[in-house]
Amino acid sequence: QQQVKQSPQSLIVQKGGISIINCAYENTAFDYFPWYQQFPGKGPALLIAIRPDVSEKKEGRFTISFNKSAKQFSLHIMDSQPGDSATYFCAASPRRGATNKLIFGTGTLLAVQP
Amino acid sequence: DSGVTQTPKHLITATGQRVTLRCSPRSGDLSVYWYQQSLDQGLQFLIQYYNGEERAKGNILERFSAQQFPDLHSELNLSSLELGDSALYFCASSVSGTLLSGANVLTFGAGSRLTVL
Repeated sequence: QQQVKQSPQSLIVQKGGISIINCAYENTAFDYFPWYQQFPGKGPALLIAIRPDVSEKKEGRFTISFNKSAKQFSLHIMDSQPGDSATYFCAASPRRGATNKLIFGTGTLLAVQP
Repeated sequence: DSGVTQTPKHLITATGQRVTLRCSPRSGDLSVYWYQQSLDQGLQFLIQYYNGEERAKGNILERFSAQQFPDLHSELNLSSLELGDSALYFCASSVSGTLLSGANVLTFGAGSRLTVL
């Protein structure tokens, strides 16, 4: 199935806290897993991405954890800031040789309270 | 500015009408994607073009059609519009039409908001 399931639907975190968003997929043909960040009135923008040959990728305060056997991946935002308040989408893309379209999760609305 | 240009930004029309949404990809990008974003459905993939040819098709209704022109801009045509077609329509572009080693960046435009009354 070409599906990516994302949770939670919404999340409220205090400033300085850790935000955690989870995604799960079923299709083992997926080979690339990005996270996109969307602010109101804007299009989604790539935040961080991971390939299944590594279990973790960190860029600044943002970390992707990937569990290939469980077919799950998650986004951790450390030291969450009010400016991180946005909608976050996980996504997956088929492996090399096929289309590189992205299949998106349903999104998580993150609110970081000051 | 992401480099992907979408017009119009907002469009209000009536049921049964037809509209055309336009997208200019980022300079150097050969692939264009169309997505529909509604409140309850998230980002739904509609269709992908690469260098003028259809590469992949998603949940695109028969009332909808798209094409990519020789100058690489793309148009999404929505006809016999229904209330349920009200949504944000995003265009994205990328360099390649397939997954490249180490990168698969889709750059999104700001979207076209369609309201069907």
